[in-house]
Amino acid sequence: NAGVIQTPRHKVTGKGQEATLWCEPISGHSAVFWYRQTIVQGLEFLTYFRNQAPIDDSGMPKERFSAQMPNQSHSTLKIQSTQPQDSAVYLCASSLDRLGPPQDTQYFGPGTRLLVL
Amino acid sequence: AQKVTQVQSTGSSQWGEVTLHCSYETSEYFYVILWYKQLFSGEMVFLIYQTSFDTQNQRNSRYSVVFQKSLKSISLVISASQPEDSGTYFCALSEPHSNYQLIWGSGTKLIIKP
Repeated sequence: NAGVIQTPRHKVTGKGQEATLWCEPISGHSAVFWYRQTIVQGLEFLTYFRNQAPIDDSGMPKERFSAQMPNQSHSTLKIQSTQPQDSAVYLCASSLDRLGPPQDTQYFGPGTRLLVL
Repeated sequence: AQKVTQVQSTGSSQWGEVTLHCSYETSEYFYVILWYKQLFSGEMVFLIYQTSFDTQNQRNSRYSVVFQKSLKSISLVISASQPEDSGTYFCALSEPHSNYQLIWGSGTKLIIKP
């Protein structure tokens, strides 16, 4: 079984450009999560979807960031007008359900390393 | 204030037993503590979890936990450590009231020397 797939693995953008990050969850998993990891802030929750519906986006910056899950096989995180402080590793995870472990266990993709110059 | 706290780094020699500490804050009756290892490639690998309802310390292969519920402390124990155990280990808290989103510690960097 393939794990969570994230593309691209690395992305370099210029300040002000748009960046779109892709995540393909493990087949059969109903929950998808996005996290951001930086040296300064550590791991931060951004948003999560359950059965493609947005459930909790409390960690998403209010401006420039948006996430979608148009079908059960992929989710996207879009950053408009990227800024240097958006540079981070963006991690996507999926899990079977929210009924508690082990179903609740999140499995992570390799991450997308975003660098905004 | 940090909700989940870990020490920054530690090290050990091969074949030794390694203990990584994590402390957390919660007022929930039910919660879950999970341990993940982040490889040098960035990939996050799930290791083991313990729920607040578990009466026994959990074990998964060479990984086990020492759960001190009253102290809000949990340690990850790695037995017969290997150089490939080197990496950064994260402790994460999962609570019902926050939709079970993971609240992460800052990670402990572990170096195992041959």
